[in-house]
Amino acid sequence: DGGITQSPKYLFRKEGQNVTLSCEQNLNHDAMYWYRQDPGQGLRLIYYSQIVNDFQKGDIAEGYSVSREKKESFPLTVTSAQKNPTAFYLCASSPMGASYEQYFGPGTRLTVT
Amino acid sequence: GENVEQHPSTLSVQEGDSAVIKCTYSDSASNYFPWYKQELGKRPQLIIDIRSNVGEKKDQRIAVTLNKTAKHFSLHITETQPEDSAVYFCAASGGGADGLTFGKGTHLIIQP
Repeated sequence: DGGITQSPKYLFRKEGQNVTLSCEQNLNHDAMYWYRQDPGQGLRLIYYSQIVNDFQKGDIAEGYSVSREKKESFPLTVTSAQKNPTAFYLCASSPMGASYEQYFGPGTRLTVT
Repeated sequence: GENVEQHPSTLSVQEGDSAVIKCTYSDSASNYFPWYKQELGKRPQLIIDIRSNVGEKKDQRIAVTLNKTAKHFSLHITETQPEDSAVYFCAASGGGADGLTFGKGTHLIIQP
């Protein structure tokens, strides 16, 4: 799991503000993913990207946006349209698609008040 | 889309005993089934995975079995130790471009 980083570890924002979470990997992986984790829940897929300049919505994309301008980077923006943004956000990468091991970053815990 | 059910939500076993966690999936096209271990506040760590062309896989004290006909797979931990205490997640993937679908997790408690 070394080689994939997320920053910051903790993030606090006021309701109505957009916030961008960083995810960087130096594993030369093609695919990158964003998941959201709520207490007592599994991980739910927000967005994923197989290649640069291309990304797809996951199961809970509403209120989020992403970009993939570089292979190493896949930032996630939590917009004010997201109704319940407080959660633990995990970024992951894999060599090639979802049938391969996904390596997770350390996560960002976002609190919106 | 895929749906993964995981049971039990909490499992308490005596140190040294075995633990079994079970998952079912809905999409018969799913072909990759990883298991992750997550300690409190940490990232999920892959502990074992299995592909649909294999029925069982072992790695020391950990094993996973897959029954494609019944669409269920299980994690078996033998000779449990205190450091096995964590939340375990199963997941399934159809092997396409999309991500993993996770179960809701099992909190495994190892009693001394």
